[in-house]
Amino acid sequence: EAAVTQSPRSKVAVTGGKVTLSCHQTNNHDYMYWYRQDTGHGLRLIHYSYVADSTEKGDIPDGYKASRPSQENFSLILELASLSQTAVYFCASSVGTGVSAETLYFGSGTRLTVL
Amino acid sequence: GQQVQQSPASLVLQEGENAELQCNFSTSLNSMQWFYQRPGGSLVSLFYNPSGTKQSGRLTSTTVIKERRSSLHISSSQTTDSGTYLCAMERGTGGYKVVFGSGTRLLVSP
Repeated sequence: EAAVTQSPRSKVAVTGGKVTLSCHQTNNHDYMYWYRQDTGHGLRLIHYSYVADSTEKGDIPDGYKASRPSQENFSLILELASLSQTAVYFCASSVGTGVSAETLYFGSGTRLTVL
Repeated sequence: GQQVQQSPASLVLQEGENAELQCNFSTSLNSMQWFYQRPGGSLVSLFYNPSGTKQSGRLTSTTVIKERRSSLHISSSQTTDSGTYLCAMERGTGGYKVVFGSGTRLLVSP
């Protein structure tokens, strides 16, 4: 069974503070992704990576940075957290480019509340 | 506008009833997939179904690419089916991009 582990499970941050969300996968997958989920919007792609030391912008990258120091680890960084970034964040990994013959494997999510 | 429209947004069933969830795409797509999200939890893949009909137990997925739509049929619903069902499509070529629908929240009561 593929495994994607996110930490922390939940976090409360102050406006303007720095937040780092971590993701670790033991699937030996090349691709990793960060999504955010808001009520009524489904999941939206923030950043993704297909190789270590390289990241790509997704559909809503503004206000977020990503870091892929190794194949197994992928972090999402909010340098200056804002109220609008309150959401549930999901990390995922896949062998290929996502929705194809291979599936996406998701972590359990991180609930971020910015006050 | 939103490229993936799911309907209904929410649905309440009595245990044993059937459900039909719809997903419509406003653009051409390469492939699509249905996911189930546990209440307050992660997502698990139900079907990868770029075309045709696939069945797994009480779940049946039908995708008609030409009509840009996909459906998920749940027969003889159970309380454990409660949760959110999301469809996702992979857009054309030119890099990786997956677009999710906003989901259908299903509640099955005993």
